[in-house]
Amino acid sequence: SQQGEEDPQALSIQEGENATMNCSYKTSINNLQWYRQNSGRGLVHLILIRSNEREKHSGRLRVTLDTSKKSSSLLITASRAADTASYFCATDSGNTPLVFGKGTRLSVIA
Amino acid sequence: GAGVSQSPSNKVTEKGKDVELRCDPISGHTALYWYRQSLGQGLEFLIYFQGNSAPDKSGLPSDRFSAERTGGSVSTLTIQRTQQEDSAVYLCASSLFSTTSVTGELFFGEGSRLTVL
Repeated sequence: SQQGEEDPQALSIQEGENATMNCSYKTSINNLQWYRQNSGRGLVHLILIRSNEREKHSGRLRVTLDTSKKSSSLLITASRAADTASYFCATDSGNTPLVFGKGTRLSVIA
Repeated sequence: GAGVSQSPSNKVTEKGKDVELRCDPISGHTALYWYRQSLGQGLEFLIYFQGNSAPDKSGLPSDRFSAERTGGSVSTLTIQRTQQEDSAVYLCASSLFSTTSVTGELFFGEGSRLTVL
């Protein structure tokens, strides 16, 4: 079953713009992770945010977590064509493996 | 090795045949996961190993699917009597640790794309 649900399913922006993707989940979590997948390739871990954290940064990535709303957002600032990929959130609810959402397909147009 | 290695990268088989997919995790990673990804979809969990044991097999779709891990390293996912609905990319991931309550960062292989004709 899928716990994380990303929104939107697809997003198309111009290079230089910011991209925001959202993830909602249903049960309490230990941590939430974001992954990136280039077409036809494996997933690459981007960032992990723990349940007691509210915001985390890594380079051009900013992740927020609101456990009261059971939601997270991933912001990519100053997007580049190379950011074109699918982005997945994954939740760790303890005693289970990571549960992945269906992903957001991001297209950055040069 | 430097990363998670999966083989074969592509497999085309006929309906009814058996297939074996192999995963070689990052050295020292105790946890190993198999996921399945159908075209344009998210990841569907199949099975998880902690060492050589599989605490969670809940995601295996049917008894045609089985997996083993030996020596705490290489894992093989076997699909017997393949069906067309088994066509998907099978992704393996490993993790440095996975306790009963916390899962760490997963490192994924490039996947094995299975096509059942």
